[in-house]
This record gives sequence, structure tokens and C-alpha cells, in this order.
Amino acid sequence: ETGVTQTPRHLVMGMTNKKSLKCEQHLGHNAMYWYKQSAKKPLELMFVYNFKEQTENNSVPSRFSPECPNSSHLFLHLHTLQPEDSALYLCASSPGQGLYEQYFGPGTRLTVT
Amino acid sequence: DAKTTQPPSMDCAEGRAANLPCNHSTISGNEYVYWYRQIHSQGPQYIIHGLKNNETNEMASLIITEDRKSSTLILPHATLRDTAVYYCIVRAPSGTYKYIFGTGTRLKVLA
Repeated sequence: ETGVTQTPRHLVMGMTNKKSLKCEQHLGHNAMYWYKQSAKKPLELMFVYNFKEQTENNSVPSRFSPECPNSSHLFLHLHTLQPEDSALYLCASSPGQGLYEQYFGPGTRLTVT
Repeated sequence: DAKTTQPPSMDCAEGRAANLPCNHSTISGNEYVYWYRQIHSQGPQYIIHGLKNNETNEMASLIITEDRKSSTLILPHATLRDTAVYYCIVRAPSGTYKYIFGTGTRLKVLA
């Protein structure tokens, strides 16, 4: 238990569906992140939020839409995804921006059919 | 972009020290080196980070060469629970938070 929870843990969706991933941190951190981990590929940073403001978008396609209503919650809204978007989506948080002491959630395993 | 090079896999006997090397020859002068690990089916876990000097915490030690072009993560007494993929990470100079995880080293601790 890292203090970062993600729901759902598994998600299967069609290419025309709209779904959302949720992340919540109970650590009092100010920065939150979305990562994508595809099979046999390195972990890729997608988005960074600091004090609810987006500070990094790593050239992510617009079919992924993040939302950060407060420092404890982070969402990733998904629409018209492609099969190649199937991956493990990980959320993380840290006291400040940067790679120091990021705490990761267990991830959402997404399958796009 | 700065990047790291790690051996794809290593084995270590339980109770022995595990030494995981990493090359980061293009690291900038003021950039830290971070180590994370990922145990199967879990999110990555922070281990340690350093700039110039050697660092030690309850999990591991980090040895950084004087020229900063390489480093070694040391798990002093490896246990079966240390079996994981270990990532040596630096920041890409072109992006503020574009950290490059790479493919890491798959460490297997053997009983």
C-alpha cells in the first residue's frame, strides 16, 4: 500500500467507448503524474500536474484528456482509443515536481478491443 | 537526450550483495541520478538518488563515479523480495520533467 489508489484496476473498452481512470493520493503531495507502460516498452511519462496545474504534456494524443480537480485527485478521460493504447496506466504523486520520491499506484490494466 | 545504459539482466545469490551498474555518460552537470525498481505487477518504487557523492539509505547504496558518467546501485544483502526490474533514470535535457526510464535491469535473486 503506497497511499496512491487507482480505479478501476482492469478495464476493457471498445474503440468507440468513453471511460475514465481515477487516481487518488492520501499523502498530502502537490504533484501528480500519469504514466503509460506498454508491453516490452519503457515507462513513458504522459502528464504532470503541480498544485492542480498541468506543467507537462509529453506529446500525448488528444484522445487522452487529463483532469486534476485538486491536489489529491487525478483523472484520465479516454475516448476513441486505438488497440495500441492497450497498456498499464500508472498514476504517481510526489511532494514536489520531479523524480524524487514518487509514489506509484498499482495501475489500471487497459485493454482496447 | 540524456539516456542510460543498463545490462538487461543479472542474477544474484540470496544474502549476497547485488551490484547494478548504469552508464549515463551524457548526464548534465547538475542533474541527479535516480533509481527505482518495479516488482512484478506493481508500480515502480523509489530507491535512492544522488548527484556527486555516494549516498546510502535503508534500502541501498549509490556509488557515483567522479566523472559522473556511471553509477552503481548496491543492495548489500539481497533477498528474494528484491527480485525486480531496476531502473536508472536521468532527466532528458530537452524537457523539464521528461525522465527517461529505459528498459532497466531485471535482477533475479536466487535462493
